[in-house]
Amino acid sequence: EAQVTQNPRYLITVTGKKLTVTCSQNMNHEYMSWYRQDPGLGLRQIYYSMNVEVTDKGDVPEGYKVSRKEKRNFPLILESPSPNQTSLYFCASSLRVYEKLFFGSGTQLSVL
Amino acid sequence: GQQLNQSPQSMFIQEGEDVSMNCTSSSIFNTWLWYKQDPGEGPVLLIALYKAGELTSNGRLTAQFGITRKDSFLNISASIPSDVGIYFCAGRIIQGAQKLVFGQGTRLTINP
Repeated sequence: EAQVTQNPRYLITVTGKKLTVTCSQNMNHEYMSWYRQDPGLGLRQIYYSMNVEVTDKGDVPEGYKVSRKEKRNFPLILESPSPNQTSLYFCASSLRVYEKLFFGSGTQLSVL
Repeated sequence: GQQLNQSPQSMFIQEGEDVSMNCTSSSIFNTWLWYKQDPGEGPVLLIALYKAGELTSNGRLTAQFGITRKDSFLNISASIPSDVGIYFCAGRIIQGAQKLVFGQGTRLTINP
């Protein structure tokens, strides 16, 4: 089944403790992206990747890192999480940057 | 960054009623997409629009690409309980890096 898989679905952590949210797609998509969803703000792009080893900042990149060492994986790294990063995170992918986006099921992160 | 204004932010309707929502911007877009997010899931693409004036249907859903290229509309006819969720518009801007910008979402609640 074609899908975007994120893990974990739920994560509670404390300020400053490094964490990684994994994202994997099995559709051989070139383009992958991370979004955060906050009430009243919709979906805001954090980082995106046009292809392997090519990543770029979205609208709200501060406090996040990404890597794209393999085509299928695009992990989101929070080196030192802070409470303002408490949010619902979505990974998405598409065949190419202009094609339709497929979203994962989301990761609800709480930073205490 | 570019902003999309989506309205209304929330709707409370009776089953069977028709629904209308829209997105507007000061920027010109070359693509409009409408997504639906079910509770606990990631957004799923409903309709994609690629040309100014285009009118596209998907079952009871109809969306239009505004003639000015700065707005789009989504209508749902004869709403049913499974229509509940958050609807997002997304537009791809013409200028600069062609990224996708999301609206704030319209939360639809249906009373049976």
